Amino acid sequence: SQQGEEDPQALSIQEGENATMNCSYKTSINNLQWYRQNSGRGLVHLILIRSNEREKHSGRLRVTLDTSKKSSSLLITASRAADTASYFCATETDSWGKLQFGAGTQVVVTP
Amino acid sequence: DAGVIQSPRHEVTEMGQEVTLRCKPISGHDYLFWYRQTMMRGLELLIYFNNNVPIDDSGMPEDRFSAKMPNASFSTLKIQPSEPRDSAVYFCASRGDPSLLFFGSGTQLSVL
Repeated sequence: SQQGEEDPQALSIQEGENATMNCSYKTSINNLQWYRQNSGRGLVHLILIRSNEREKHSGRLRVTLDTSKKSSSLLITASRAADTASYFCATETDSWGKLQFGAGTQVVVTP
Repeated sequence: DAGVIQSPRHEVTEMGQEVTLRCKPISGHDYLFWYRQTMMRGLELLIYFNNNVPIDDSGMPEDRFSAKMPNASFSTLKIQPSEPRDSAVYFCASRGDPSLLFFGSGTQLSVL
């Protein structure tokens, strides 16, 4: 079974708009990570947020974490056509580094 | 570093045949993960290794699946015998410190 669930499943926006996707998980975590997958490619890590952190930024990406609600959000600001991809959250739940992925959000950015 | 290298990139085989997928992790990474991705199930963790030792293989679907890591630079995932429902993209990923995974390009497996 999957640990994380992303919402929405799909998102279609225009260039320049912001894209927000959410991730909910079930058990306590060490950290939560976001990955991007372009069609036909492997996943690429974007950002990691630890359980004792609440917000993190990286370029146009902003991630928040609310451990009381067991949820995280990924915001992509000023989106570009190149941001078109599937985005996955992944949770590390044990000391061995076991990482489990959610179902993903498919984002389409139209010029 | 060339990143995580997987081979073959594509594999088409007939039901009942043995399939071997290969992975070379990034040098110095001490964790290696095998995932399977399908439309229906998403990304499933099959097995992962730490310092060449299998830590958790609870995601391996059946005894037909086996994985080995004989040394720090090589791992295999074997399916014997293969079945059409094994068709998927199989990813290998390695991890050093910090905890981020580096994925290979995947092996697209089609079992006819």
